[in-house]
Amino acid sequence: ILNVEQSPQSLHVQEGDSTNFTCSFPSSNFYALHWYRWETAKSPEALFVMTLNGDEKKKGRISATLNTKEGYSYLYIKGSQPEDSATYLCAFGRYSGYALNFGKGTSLLVTP
Amino acid sequence: DVKVTQSSRYLVKRTGEKVFLECVQDMDHENMFWYRQDPGLGLRLIYFSYDVKMKEKGDIPEGYSVSREKKERFSLILESASTNQTSMYLCASSSPGLAAIETQYFGPGTRLLVL
Repeated sequence: ILNVEQSPQSLHVQEGDSTNFTCSFPSSNFYALHWYRWETAKSPEALFVMTLNGDEKKKGRISATLNTKEGYSYLYIKGSQPEDSATYLCAFGRYSGYALNFGKGTSLLVTP
Repeated sequence: DVKVTQSSRYLVKRTGEKVFLECVQDMDHENMFWYRQDPGLGLRLIYFSYDVKMKEKGDIPEGYSVSREKKERFSLILESASTNQTSMYLCASSSPGLAAIETQYFGPGTRLLVL
């Protein structure tokens, strides 16, 4: 099982704060890095998939960057809102692999 | 919109029972997956299937089997449920191609309690 590490494990911010979390993954045999958002009582929902070193993706107030050489990705949320409260999962896709290896997630709570 | 449905949101079973968890997707996806999620652990892959009647073991297949008789349906079977199989079970599907790059679409999960 490939090790995908996410930090911090949990985060509590105030509405309006900007925040970021980290995903670390093996840099060898890299193929893709995925970010998912998992709200309580809902299905995990895809945010981004990134494949190239230096990739940056943005969706509204959420953005992500990728460094495949050093094996990390950052997820940024600008101006957090209570509806951003969720667990954010990253998943590593290995070249020639059939499946994804998921991290344990970062649990974000945004309070008004 | 891709829709992945799972037969139950909550399930309570007794030790030793045979348990079937059903997953259906409506997007004609070739790839389907079963994961379990436990507190403090990431999603762990139990089995996946890349075509009808085809299956591959994931990271934790022990105690489970699967069935894919139709493209849209992927079943997870606990032959003899045990208490350590109490968990949240998630099904997912994705388009054909390398699973490493394809977005996976998840069902809402089944929370299974084995007494």
